[in-house]
Amino acid sequence: NAGVTQTPKFRVLKTGQSMTLLCAQDMNHEYMYWYRQDPGMGLRLIHYSVGEGTTAKGEVPDGYNVSRLKKQNFLLGLESAAPSQTSVYFCASSTGLATAEQYFGPGTRLTVT
Amino acid sequence: GENVEQHPSTLSVQEGDSAVIKCTYSDSASNYFPWYKQELGKGPQLIIDIRSNVGEKKDQRIAVTLNKTAKHFSLHITETQPEDSAVYFCAADLSGAGSYQLTFGKGTKLSVIP
Repeated sequence: NAGVTQTPKFRVLKTGQSMTLLCAQDMNHEYMYWYRQDPGMGLRLIHYSVGEGTTAKGEVPDGYNVSRLKKQNFLLGLESAAPSQTSVYFCASSTGLATAEQYFGPGTRLTVT
Repeated sequence: GENVEQHPSTLSVQEGDSAVIKCTYSDSASNYFPWYKQELGKGPQLIIDIRSNVGEKKDQRIAVTLNKTAKHFSLHITETQPEDSAVYFCAADLSGAGSYQLTFGKGTKLSVIP
């Protein structure tokens, strides 16, 4: 039981390049989330999904797209990376409801030059 | 939307002393308040949570208190140990139908000095 895994762990992009971050969970959780963590800013929600085939915007969605084609996977895409998107990205999953524990992945450190 | 303020941003204590981290929130309809611990290089992990129908909850050396009237809640760690050194985040749930979001505070870096 791996829990929540994220691929890749590190990535360096040039401005304007695109990439996709993959999140996978093996706990059969309905809800999945993408956060970004910046120094002194805490965790900010980018997008989330309440089930396969559904996505919704969080607090800071601009510049990102997501897809949830399979229940166990949640993809975060950057179509045209900008230096402001340099951050550590965390994926999380939960059974559902805002009161359920969120299980976090180990994070992806992305640098955009 | 919900706004969560967390203080202090950094905290240093001697091993064996107590540590207290405080959070305030703005949405009076919030009713779930978790605390997460993030160790270096890892994702956050839930350590304790409290719901609005409870004023205090304890789990060994950690406890959380909630004052709904004043809209603040606190994490208390007693008999601190070096392994308690980490970044701690408080959070509150966003109210409203269909909301599945947590709003996090900006974090407190706790250092326990041996």
